[in-house]
Amino acid sequence: NAGVTQTPKFQVLKTGQSMTLQCAQDMNHEYMSWYRQDPGMGLRLIHYSVGAGITDQGEVPNGYNVSRSTTEDFPLRLLSAAPSQTSVYFCASSSTIDSIRDQPQHFGDGTRLSIL
Amino acid sequence: AQSVTQPDIHITVSEGASLELRCNYSYGATPYLFWYVQSPGQGLQLLLKYFSGDTLVQGIKGFEAEFKRSQSSFNLRKPSVHWSDAAEYFCAVGAPQGTYKYIFGTGTRLKVLA
Repeated sequence: NAGVTQTPKFQVLKTGQSMTLQCAQDMNHEYMSWYRQDPGMGLRLIHYSVGAGITDQGEVPNGYNVSRSTTEDFPLRLLSAAPSQTSVYFCASSSTIDSIRDQPQHFGDGTRLSIL
Repeated sequence: AQSVTQPDIHITVSEGASLELRCNYSYGATPYLFWYVQSPGQGLQLLLKYFSGDTLVQGIKGFEAEFKRSQSSFNLRKPSVHWSDAAEYFCAVGAPQGTYKYIFGTGTRLKVLA
Protein backbone atom coordinates (compact mmCIF):
# COMPACT_ATOMS: atom_id res chain seq x y z
CA ASN A 1 0.00 0.00 0.00
CA ALA A 2 1.85 3.07 -1.28
CA GLY A 3 -0.57 5.72 0.04
CA VAL A 4 -0.10 9.04 -1.78
CA THR A 5 2.66 9.14 -4.38
CA GLN A 6 3.98 12.38 -5.85
CA THR A 7 6.31 12.73 -8.79
CA PRO A 8 8.76 14.24 -9.41
CA LYS A 9 10.39 14.91 -6.03
CA PHE A 10 12.45 17.80 -7.37
CA GLN A 11 12.11 20.00 -10.45
CA VAL A 12 13.76 23.12 -11.77
CA LEU A 13 11.96 25.13 -14.42
CA LYS A 14 12.58 28.28 -16.35
CA THR A 15 10.09 31.14 -16.25
CA GLY A 16 7.34 30.54 -18.79
CA GLN A 17 7.70 26.79 -18.97
CA SER A 18 4.79 24.53 -18.20
CA MET A 19 4.77 21.28 -16.32
CA THR A 20 2.54 18.79 -14.55
CA LEU A 21 3.02 17.56 -11.02
CA GLN A 22 1.66 14.07 -10.63
CA CYS A 23 -0.27 12.73 -7.66
CA ALA A 24 -1.72 9.25 -7.27
CA GLN A 25 -3.36 7.49 -4.35
CA ASP A 26 -4.27 3.84 -3.96
CA MET A 27 -6.69 4.14 -1.03
CA ASN A 28 -9.83 4.75 -3.08
CA HIS A 29 -10.18 8.17 -1.46
CA GLU A 30 -12.77 10.52 -2.88
CA TYR A 31 -11.21 13.74 -1.65
CA MET A 32 -7.88 14.93 -3.02
CA SER A 33 -6.17 18.27 -2.69
CA TRP A 34 -3.08 20.25 -3.58
CA TYR A 35 -1.27 22.58 -1.20
CA ARG A 36 1.76 24.75 -1.49
CA GLN A 37 4.02 25.28 1.49
CA ASP A 38 6.06 28.45 1.84
CA PRO A 39 8.14 29.56 4.83
CA GLY A 40 6.04 31.22 7.51
CA MET A 41 2.80 30.69 5.61
CA GLY A 42 1.93 27.12 6.47
CA LEU A 43 -0.08 25.16 3.96
CA ARG A 44 -2.25 26.99 1.45
CA LEU A 45 -4.88 25.15 -0.53
CA ILE A 46 -4.55 25.46 -4.31
CA HIS A 47 -7.28 23.18 -5.67
CA TYR A 48 -9.27 20.26 -4.43
CA SER A 49 -11.53 17.53 -5.77
CA VAL A 50 -14.40 15.64 -4.14
CA GLY A 51 -14.53 12.94 -6.80
CA ALA A 52 -13.78 12.07 -10.39
CA GLY A 53 -14.85 14.90 -12.68
CA ILE A 54 -15.35 17.38 -9.81
CA THR A 55 -12.79 20.03 -8.91
CA ASP A 56 -12.88 23.38 -7.20
CA GLN A 57 -10.57 26.24 -6.28
CA GLY A 58 -8.82 26.73 -2.99
CA GLU A 59 -7.35 29.97 -1.69
CA VAL A 60 -4.45 30.35 -4.17
CA PRO A 61 -5.61 28.85 -7.51
CA ASN A 62 -4.19 31.40 -9.94
CA GLY A 63 -1.64 29.97 -12.33
CA TYR A 64 -2.63 26.37 -11.69
CA ASN A 65 -5.02 23.93 -13.32
CA VAL A 66 -6.26 20.56 -12.16
CA SER A 67 -8.35 17.72 -13.49
CA ARG A 68 -9.68 14.52 -11.98
CA SER A 69 -10.43 11.93 -14.63
CA THR A 70 -10.01 8.98 -12.26
CA THR A 71 -10.39 8.44 -8.53
CA GLU A 72 -6.69 7.63 -8.24
CA ASP A 73 -5.03 10.55 -10.01
CA PHE A 74 -5.09 14.29 -9.43
CA PRO A 75 -2.42 16.10 -11.48
CA LEU A 76 -1.55 19.76 -10.95
CA ARG A 77 -0.55 21.79 -14.00
CA LEU A 78 1.49 24.95 -14.02
CA LEU A 79 0.50 26.76 -17.17
CA SER A 80 3.34 29.30 -17.42
CA ALA A 81 5.75 29.02 -14.51
CA ALA A 82 6.66 32.15 -12.58
CA PRO A 83 9.31 32.64 -9.86
CA SER A 84 6.50 33.24 -7.35
CA GLN A 85 5.51 29.61 -7.83
CA THR A 86 8.77 28.39 -6.34
CA SER A 87 7.54 26.31 -3.45
CA VAL A 88 7.06 22.86 -2.03
CA TYR A 89 3.86 21.25 -3.29
CA PHE A 90 1.95 18.61 -1.38
CA CYS A 91 -0.84 16.39 -2.53
CA ALA A 92 -3.20 14.95 0.06
CA SER A 93 -6.21 12.69 0.11
CA SER A 94 -8.87 11.62 2.55
CA SER A 95 -11.80 9.27 2.51
CA THR A 96 -15.46 9.81 1.85
CA ILE A 97 -16.71 13.31 1.32
CA ASP A 98 -19.71 12.56 3.50
CA SER A 99 -17.47 12.66 6.55
CA ILE A 100 -14.67 14.89 5.41
CA ARG A 101 -14.69 16.96 8.59
CA ASP A 102 -13.51 14.11 10.75
CA GLN A 103 -11.16 12.48 8.31
CA PRO A 104 -7.44 13.14 8.51
CA GLN A 105 -5.57 13.77 5.34
CA HIS A 106 -2.86 11.51 3.98
CA PHE A 107 0.02 13.43 2.47
CA GLY A 108 2.58 12.65 -0.18
CA ASP A 109 6.24 13.47 0.37
CA GLY A 110 6.07 16.63 -1.70
CA THR A 111 7.55 18.08 -4.87
CA ARG A 112 10.19 20.75 -4.46
CA LEU A 113 9.85 23.14 -7.37
CA SER A 114 12.21 25.96 -8.28
CA ILE A 115 11.40 28.49 -10.99
CA LEU A 116 14.36 30.42 -12.35
CA ALA B 1 -14.23 33.24 9.58
CA GLN B 2 -12.66 30.06 10.82
CA SER B 3 -8.97 30.21 11.62
CA VAL B 4 -6.19 28.38 13.39
CA THR B 5 -3.39 30.19 15.19
CA GLN B 6 -0.09 28.75 16.29
CA PRO B 7 1.49 31.62 18.19
CA ASP B 8 4.99 30.15 18.41
CA ILE B 9 6.96 30.05 15.16
CA HIS B 10 10.01 28.43 16.76
CA ILE B 11 10.49 26.54 20.01
CA THR B 12 13.73 25.15 21.38
CA VAL B 13 13.81 22.60 24.19
CA SER B 14 16.47 20.37 25.67
CA GLU B 15 16.25 16.64 25.18
CA GLY B 16 14.32 15.12 28.07
CA ALA B 17 12.43 18.31 28.83
CA SER B 18 8.68 18.61 28.55
CA LEU B 19 7.02 20.22 25.56
CA GLU B 20 3.84 22.16 24.94
CA LEU B 21 2.91 23.55 21.54
CA ARG B 22 0.03 25.96 21.44
CA CYS B 23 -2.90 25.98 19.07
CA ASN B 24 -5.93 28.27 19.17
CA TYR B 25 -8.85 28.06 16.84
CA SER B 26 -11.77 30.20 15.84
CA TYR B 27 -14.74 28.09 14.86
CA GLY B 28 -18.46 28.45 15.27
CA ALA B 29 -19.41 24.85 15.94
CA THR B 30 -17.77 21.84 17.51
CA PRO B 31 -14.39 21.62 15.84
CA TYR B 32 -12.68 18.57 14.48
CA LEU B 33 -9.04 19.09 15.41
CA PHE B 34 -5.83 17.50 14.24
CA TRP B 35 -2.12 17.71 14.93
CA TYR B 36 0.34 16.76 12.20
CA VAL B 37 4.12 16.47 12.24
CA GLN B 38 6.42 17.13 9.32
CA SER B 39 9.96 15.81 9.46
CA PRO B 40 12.52 17.47 7.18
CA GLY B 41 11.96 16.55 3.55
CA GLN B 42 8.80 14.63 4.33
CA GLY B 43 5.09 15.06 4.05
CA LEU B 44 2.79 15.59 7.00
CA GLN B 45 1.95 12.69 9.28
CA LEU B 46 -1.05 12.58 11.58
CA LEU B 47 -0.15 12.62 15.29
CA LEU B 48 -3.63 12.68 16.80
CA LYS B 49 -7.17 13.91 16.34
CA TYR B 50 -10.09 15.10 18.45
CA PHE B 51 -13.73 14.83 17.51
CA SER B 52 -15.70 14.52 20.73
CA GLY B 53 -15.72 12.83 24.11
CA ASP B 54 -12.66 12.76 26.33
CA THR B 55 -10.89 16.09 25.98
CA LEU B 56 -7.46 14.54 26.48
CA VAL B 57 -6.46 12.53 23.44
CA GLN B 58 -3.46 10.31 23.00
CA GLY B 59 -1.50 10.07 19.80
CA ILE B 60 1.50 8.37 18.34
CA LYS B 61 5.11 8.86 19.45
CA GLY B 62 4.05 9.65 23.03
CA PHE B 63 2.20 12.86 22.20
CA GLU B 64 -1.09 13.97 23.71
CA ALA B 65 -3.33 16.99 23.29
CA GLU B 66 -6.01 18.58 25.40
CA PHE B 67 -9.11 20.23 24.00
CA LYS B 68 -10.30 23.20 26.04
CA ARG B 69 -13.49 24.65 24.66
CA SER B 70 -13.50 27.62 27.04
CA GLN B 71 -10.08 28.69 25.78
CA SER B 72 -10.57 27.61 22.16
CA SER B 73 -7.32 25.72 22.44
CA PHE B 74 -5.93 22.35 21.46
CA ASN B 75 -2.38 22.29 22.80
CA LEU B 76 0.02 19.47 22.04
CA ARG B 77 2.17 18.06 24.82
CA LYS B 78 4.90 15.53 25.41
CA PRO B 79 6.39 14.78 28.84
CA SER B 80 9.93 14.09 27.65
CA VAL B 81 11.22 15.19 24.27
CA HIS B 82 13.58 13.05 22.20
CA TRP B 83 16.04 14.40 19.65
CA SER B 84 14.02 12.68 16.92
CA ASP B 85 11.04 14.93 17.73
CA ALA B 86 12.75 17.86 16.00
CA ALA B 87 10.32 18.71 13.22
CA GLU B 88 7.59 21.13 12.27
CA TYR B 89 4.18 20.72 13.84
CA PHE B 90 0.89 21.81 12.36
CA CYS B 91 -2.48 22.20 14.01
CA ALA B 92 -5.55 21.93 11.76
CA VAL B 93 -9.32 22.15 11.85
CA GLY B 94 -11.32 19.71 9.77
CA ALA B 95 -13.26 21.17 6.91
CA PRO B 96 -16.05 23.34 8.34
CA GLN B 97 -19.61 22.27 7.62
CA GLY B 98 -20.55 23.02 4.05
CA THR B 99 -17.00 23.38 2.81
CA TYR B 100 -14.30 20.98 1.76
CA LYS B 101 -11.38 23.06 2.94
CA TYR B 102 -9.25 22.11 5.87
CA ILE B 103 -7.68 24.98 7.79
CA PHE B 104 -4.06 24.68 8.85
CA GLY B 105 -2.05 26.79 11.24
CA THR B 106 1.25 28.25 10.09
CA GLY B 107 3.26 25.68 12.00
CA THR B 108 5.73 25.58 14.90
CA ARG B 109 9.28 24.45 14.26
CA LEU B 110 10.74 22.47 17.14
CA LYS B 111 14.45 22.33 17.78
CA VAL B 112 15.81 19.85 20.31
CA LEU B 113 19.12 20.46 22.06
CA ALA B 114 21.25 17.48 23.00
